[in-house]
Amino acid sequence: KQEVTQIPAALSVPEGENLVLNCSFTDSAIYNLQWFRQDPGKGLTSLLLIQSSQREQTSGRLNASLDKSSGRSTLYIAASQPGDSATYLCAATANAGKSTFGDGTTLTVKP
Amino acid sequence: DTGVSQNPRHKITKRGQNVTFRCDPISEHNRLYWYRQTLGQGPEFLTYFQNEAQLEKSRLLSDRFSAERPKGSFSTLEIQRTEQGDSAMYLCASSLAQGSYGYTFGSGTRLTVV
Repeated sequence: KQEVTQIPAALSVPEGENLVLNCSFTDSAIYNLQWFRQDPGKGLTSLLLIQSSQREQTSGRLNASLDKSSGRSTLYIAASQPGDSATYLCAATANAGKSTFGDGTTLTVKP
Repeated sequence: DTGVSQNPRHKITKRGQNVTFRCDPISEHNRLYWYRQTLGQGPEFLTYFQNEAQLEKSRLLSDRFSAERPKGSFSTLEIQRTEQGDSAMYLCASSLAQGSYGYTFGSGTRLTVV
């Protein structure tokens, strides 16, 4: 059974800092790994999708990496802004399409 | 296409009542998923469809829960005889094929059972 863990559970940084969010998964037989953002009381917004054959994906100030052999993914946020404050979730997708989510890292960026 | 649409956004119901939620996926997506999320937790898988076929159902889904996707378009999730423990955000997502393009989520339906 796939298990996904995200550390830390919460993170507070001053504006402008670069930061890394961590995601680990127990079963390396994944199809892809997806990072999402969730604002309070809202649905999930997809940020980056990394296929199992890829090592990283970039979008603007975001960079996600994937190391299947070690069961790890990281989300790097450059030059953080107060608008980046949200909960960030990672999800590991099995071949059948079903995803297992971590419990998220709640990020607060202070002005 | 405006993305994945879920209705209603909020539902308050008394314990023991039945409720039904609707999800309209992105029109060209053939896969549709239902997840449940409680406060402070990540979404938990409930069930998914490929076209009109329900391919997998979680053990979390008791016999009080049923989902349908007639004609492979919109989907409904019904909860019978609601319990307070059913209070959660119910999220719907859709995707193309085998997850090659990842999930697109709707805004969710917040269920409160009183």
